[in-house]
Amino acid sequence: QVQLVQSGAEVKKPGASVKVSCKASGYTFTTYYIHWVRQAPGQGLEWMAFINPSDGGTHYAQKLQGRVTVTRDTSTTTVYMELSSLRSEDTAVYYCARAGTNQALDIWGQGTMITVSS
Amino acid sequence: EIVLTQSPGTLSLSPGERATLYCRASQSVSSTYFAWYQQKPGQAPRLLVYGASSRATGIPDRFSGSGSGTDFTLTISRLEPEDFAVYYCQQYGSSPITFGQGTRLEIK
Repeated sequence: QVQLVQSGAEVKKPGASVKVSCKASGYTFTTYYIHWVRQAPGQGLEWMAFINPSDGGTHYAQKLQGRVTVTRDTSTTTVYMELSSLRSEDTAVYYCARAGTNQALDIWGQGTMITVSS
Repeated sequence: EIVLTQSPGTLSLSPGERATLYCRASQSVSSTYFAWYQQKPGQAPRLLVYGASSRATGIPDRFSGSGSGTDFTLTISRLEPEDFAVYYCQQYGSSPITFGQGTRLEIK
C-alpha cells in the first residue's frame, strides 16, 4: 500500500541540527512532490518546504530559509529534511506528506517528534 | 502570504447534527488549490476535500466542501462519533502554502 514511514523521535540541544527521513513505498517515487509540515505542541500546522523527487528541485518557506534543507535519494525512495541551528521553538512533530494528483496532501507520514531542549 | 481564518474556533454539537465550518482567506484563493483536513489526537492529518469541493478517496459523502474566492465552507451533514476532531483548511495555490488555525469540533 501507499505509505510514508518516518524516522523516530529525537532530542536535540539548542544550536544542533537534526535530519529526519521519510521513506516512500507503494507508488512511483518520482511522480509526486513531497512536502514537510510541522506542528508545535497544541498548535496548528505550518508548511515548511517541498521537494520534487524527480529532479531534486526544492522550495522553502521564507521563515526557514537558510536553516532547512530537503534532499532525496531515489535509490532508496527516501526524502530527508535537515533543520539546523535548532531553537526551543523548533520543538514540534514533523510530518512528510505526498502531494497527490491535485497537489493536495493525500498521504502523510506518521510524524516525527523533535524536542529541542538543553 | 495568504492568511486563512477559520470560524468558529470551537464548535460543540451532538451526533446526528449538522456541522458547518468556515474558512476565510485574506485574498482570493484559487478554488482548484483549496483543501480541508481532519486531525484526531496523536494522528497525522487526513485529507478530506481538495479542489474546494472534491472528496478525497474513501471520504464519506456526509462531508462536502464548497466556496470560492475568499470564502469556503466544510459541511458535515450528520455527525458521527468519529467526526469529532480538529479541522484545518489549506490553500496551496500561492506560496507559501498556508493553513488555517483550525476548528475544534467537540461533542456537546
